[in-house]
Amino acid sequence: DAGVTQSPTHLIKTRGQHVTLRCSPISGHKSVSWYQQVLGQGPQFIFQYYEKEERGRGNFPDRFSARQFPNYSSELNVNALLLGDSALYLCASSLGLDGEYFGPGTRLTVL
Amino acid sequence: GEDVEQSLFLSVREGDSSVINCTYTDSSSTYLYWYKQEPGAGLQLLTYIFSNMDMKQDQRLTVLLNKKDKHLSLRIADTQTGDSAIYFCAESRIDSGGYQKVTFGTGTKLQVIP
Repeated sequence: DAGVTQSPTHLIKTRGQHVTLRCSPISGHKSVSWYQQVLGQGPQFIFQYYEKEERGRGNFPDRFSARQFPNYSSELNVNALLLGDSALYLCASSLGLDGEYFGPGTRLTVL
Repeated sequence: GEDVEQSLFLSVREGDSSVINCTYTDSSSTYLYWYKQEPGAGLQLLTYIFSNMDMKQDQRLTVLLNKKDKHLSLRIADTQTGDSAIYFCAESRIDSGGYQKVTFGTGTKLQVIP
């Protein structure tokens, strides 16, 4: 079975631009979470979606938004990119609270 | 507020046991997790423990939870060079708004010396 997949794997943007990152969960998983991991730090929780509804939100500005589609895939959108948004963005899916399964991440570089 | 802390680095010899420690501040945590991250890779779920449990064992891994002291540890028996990675603990809780929040620690880099 395929694991969590994310696209693209790498992305380079300039300040002020907008970016959309995509995630497909493991088949049968209805919950998708997004995390930001800056080099040398642990992942920071951004959003969690379950059955297309937002079920969790971390301390990120409104420039960050997400949605989940009927097939449980998800998009993370970031507007007005800042240099500090450069990070590895991780998507994870789960069946319940007993742990999440992470994708390989999208490496975003903002110049 | 929520905070999860770990020591930054641990070095052990191959074949020895490794113990990675984690402390957390939020007493309303429901589940606690251990993840492994190898260089350039995503996170791999190793194990989890529910907050009303004291211990969980899974092959070479033993998780101990001291809820009174808000202390979580991961013991890896017979540590191998393939265990070299960064290990993250994480805690999950439901906030006052009914939303789930997950907080990760800063990660402990485990170096296994052959």
